[in-house]
Amino acid sequence: SSELTQDPAVSVALGQTVRITCLGDSLRTYSPTWYQQKPGQAPLLVIYHKNDRPSGIPDRFSGSSSGNTASLTITGAQAEDAADYYCSSRDSSGYHLVFGGGTKLTVL
Amino acid sequence: VQLVQSGAEVKKSGESLKISCKGSGYSFTSYWIGWVRQMPGKGLEWMGIIYPGDSDTRYSPSFQGRITISVDKSIRTAYLQWNSLETSDTAMYYCARFHEWELLRTAFDIWGPGTVVTVSS
Repeated sequence: SSELTQDPAVSVALGQTVRITCLGDSLRTYSPTWYQQKPGQAPLLVIYHKNDRPSGIPDRFSGSSSGNTASLTITGAQAEDAADYYCSSRDSSGYHLVFGGGTKLTVL
Repeated sequence: VQLVQSGAEVKKSGESLKISCKGSGYSFTSYWIGWVRQMPGKGLEWMGIIYPGDSDTRYSPSFQGRITISVDKSIRTAYLQWNSLETSDTAMYYCARFHEWELLRTAFDIWGPGTVVTVSS
């Protein structure tokens, strides 16, 4: 079982804002990272260290973290944002990495 | 900057397998390389990670003892190996570069395309 917990599925209307959450005790100590994965593709880094975006990631993607909860927010969701989203961090020992179970985002 | 992985594999249970991940376009020995499993229709699972500079290796407790991660820095290639495959090893396997901008500012920033491994009984 994962030490990071995500809702299995979330939906959002086109152009609206959606928040995807990730819960885990290790998030109190270690920064969360978020990956996007579309069908048939490798994962893509979208947010690291709470709210840093790699080059090329639209600024509608943002991250936040407080206590044991991390969030990925998409402001003005687009059809192309439909994907699986995974949070990641270190585990409680700090020695290993762990992924959340993933959230399937549907854009209506 | 890219990671190129070896091609799809079809094996039988009990057989051994070694898949590869070749890095290019960056200082290969300066970044950890991790391996991630994705079983059909399932989520991402971190398997382990290796530092090509000194071969320091860490394994997920879930995979410790079942896999071996290694590296040949002379050819900029990391490996994931099984001595005895099981049907439950059927999955996509990704390698990814682990970037450490700062102590807590880290992420897998470059991913390989994945290697599909199919194991039959």
